[in-house]
Amino acid sequence: EVQLLESGGGLVQPGGSLRLSCAASGFTFGSYAMSWVRQAPGKGLEWVSLISGSGGSTYYVDSVKGRFTISRDNSKNTLYLQMNSLRAEDTAVYYCAKKKGDASDIWGQGTMVTVSS
Amino acid sequence: QSVLTQAPSVSAAPGQKVTISCSGSSSNIGKNYVSWYQQFPGTGPKLLIYENDDRPSGIPDRFSGSKSGTSATLGITGLQTGDEADYYCGTWDSSLNGWVFGGGTKVTVL
Repeated sequence: EVQLLESGGGLVQPGGSLRLSCAASGFTFGSYAMSWVRQAPGKGLEWVSLISGSGGSTYYVDSVKGRFTISRDNSKNTLYLQMNSLRAEDTAVYYCAKKKGDASDIWGQGTMVTVSS
Repeated sequence: QSVLTQAPSVSAAPGQKVTISCSGSSSNIGKNYVSWYQQFPGTGPKLLIYENDDRPSGIPDRFSGSKSGTSATLGITGLQTGDEADYYCGTWDSSLNGWVFGGGTKVTVL
């Protein structure tokens, strides 16, 4: 079964750091680009970052550039999101998603990140 | 403000049809494929439509997608109570060099 399982969320103070992980199973992980998408409480979906299958290309939404870093370890079938200098507006459920062509065909259940003092 | 524009809500009676529009620009919908996602409260999104009008296996043909110019549309026929959810359109924006979503449309079955 194709599955994505996020972890690493939690409560962090403004200015703090957190690293999210996304464990993939059921498909050839390194063959697919992966994304992080977040959803603030009661709000819509917001794309955060994308990484190519090899990890050689990365893309970010402007609001997280310079603060977040996406990476992957294809030997461990795991996607990461290192989040630094966290702000209250980063509070959201963070989903990882597998890219298939121009769409995201598999999504995880999400992990909640709360930035608050 | 979302780059792609969707109506906040739409409603119809069971068995009826609803359409959800997604309006963009020449740098996103006008240039790239559109996909549609269904999301129930507390769960991750589910892919409904990809490449404008294709359905993944397992998605009933009650769901359909289309694109014209800088707009896309999701149609749901034979509306069921189980279709009550939020629906999002998404595509790549070649100017922003990033993925963009619509603000989401909540479907209510009366």
